[in-house]
Formats: sequence, structure tokens, C-alpha cells
Amino acid sequence: AQSVTQLGSHVSVSEGALVLLRCNYSSSVPPYLFWYVQYPNQGLQLLLKYTTGATLVKGINGFEAEFKKSETSFHLTKPSAHMSDAAEYFCAVNIFGNEKLTFGTGTRLTIIP
Amino acid sequence: DAGITQSPRHKVTETGTPVTLRCHQTENHRYMYWYRQDPGHGLRLIHYSYGVKDTDKGEVSDGYSVSRSKTEDFLLTLESATSSQTSVYFCAISEQGRVNEQFFGPGTRLTVL
Repeated sequence: AQSVTQLGSHVSVSEGALVLLRCNYSSSVPPYLFWYVQYPNQGLQLLLKYTTGATLVKGINGFEAEFKKSETSFHLTKPSAHMSDAAEYFCAVNIFGNEKLTFGTGTRLTIIP
Repeated sequence: DAGITQSPRHKVTETGTPVTLRCHQTENHRYMYWYRQDPGHGLRLIHYSYGVKDTDKGEVSDGYSVSRSKTEDFLLTLESATSSQTSVYFCAISEQGRVNEQFFGPGTRLTVL
């Protein structure tokens, strides 16, 4: 079985501040991990993914995430928030042999001017 | 952007009526998925398809059926709509299903009165 927990359904940060969105997963086997972003009234778009290899993964729009097996975490960070980062962010997990993604409940990011 | 369209984009219907949502892709991807998105629940998989006429259930399949007679089309049917099926429905496609990225359509907002 696989599951994802996103801590904090709403996060607010000031423009220029660090963005940190938390994701913890549960999986009995090595997972594949994803972060998606959803802008208002749109579908989801992939930000980044971890499959194997380097544990620090860089994505689009300056975001990155680090896979920490010991902490079962895959937190999303961005050094300096922009107004355009305001959106909802979803963490998702998949395991080898399973064709399905399991999504977290999402974190809505608000940027304060 | 991946060529995925959903129709209709918005629909209001009454309890007890049948509803069919269509997902159309121009990418020739093997895998297609239907999700529903509800506040506090993130995205939950309804059904998915791994080829023409090959489908399987997701975690919230009760009250829904699907069909895939062509690679490019994946239909989601609510046999008798209920108010609990008011939601935003997203279609997604994937080339391989596992570690590959899922590409999402723009969504269909369904309201059941």
C-alpha cells in the first residue's frame, strides 16, 4: 500500500521568502515521488519527480525537492517566492508495478505582497 | 502542452439523470485515467485504462463506469447522478503508467442538483 500526507492545507509566505511545502509518504517498497502544481481553473502540471539516483531533484520555476528515505519525506522548496507561485500543490507517490498515482490532499500556497 | 481535451467543461444536471464525460487525446498514449477532485480530498482515482477495452477500478469507482473503444477516447459515465458526485473531474494520460509523468486535461465541473 502507498499513501501520502501533506502537512498544512494552507501555507502563506511573503514575496521573496522561502517556500517550504511538506510531504511525507508511506510505502513498503522504494517509491517514485512527484510534485504537481495546479493554477486556478486549470489541470495539474508536473513540477518535478524523483525516481532513482540523485536525491535532490530540480524542477521547473525554481522549485526543488529532496528525497529523504530515513524521514520518508519529499518536501518541496523554493528559495524566493514570487507572486506567480500562488497555486495549489500536490504531492503524489507511485511504486514499481503499480500503474496508479496516489495523491495527497494538497497545499494551497498564498503569496503575501 | 499535451493534447488532451475534456467535454463538456461545465455541466449542471439533476439527480437521477445519466451523464457522460468525454476525454480525448491526440498523443497516442496507452494509459488514461479519470480522477475527481474535491476539497480536502485531493485527487482520487475513479477508473483507469491501460489499453483499448482494458480498464480497471480506482479507489472511488462506485456509481461510475468507463469505456474505451478507441485509443484516443475515454468516456466516464454516471449511470444515475447523485449530489455526492458533484465535483471537478480530471482526465489524465500517461505513456507508460508507472514513473512517467501523467498529463492532465483542463477538467470538467459537474454540478448535480
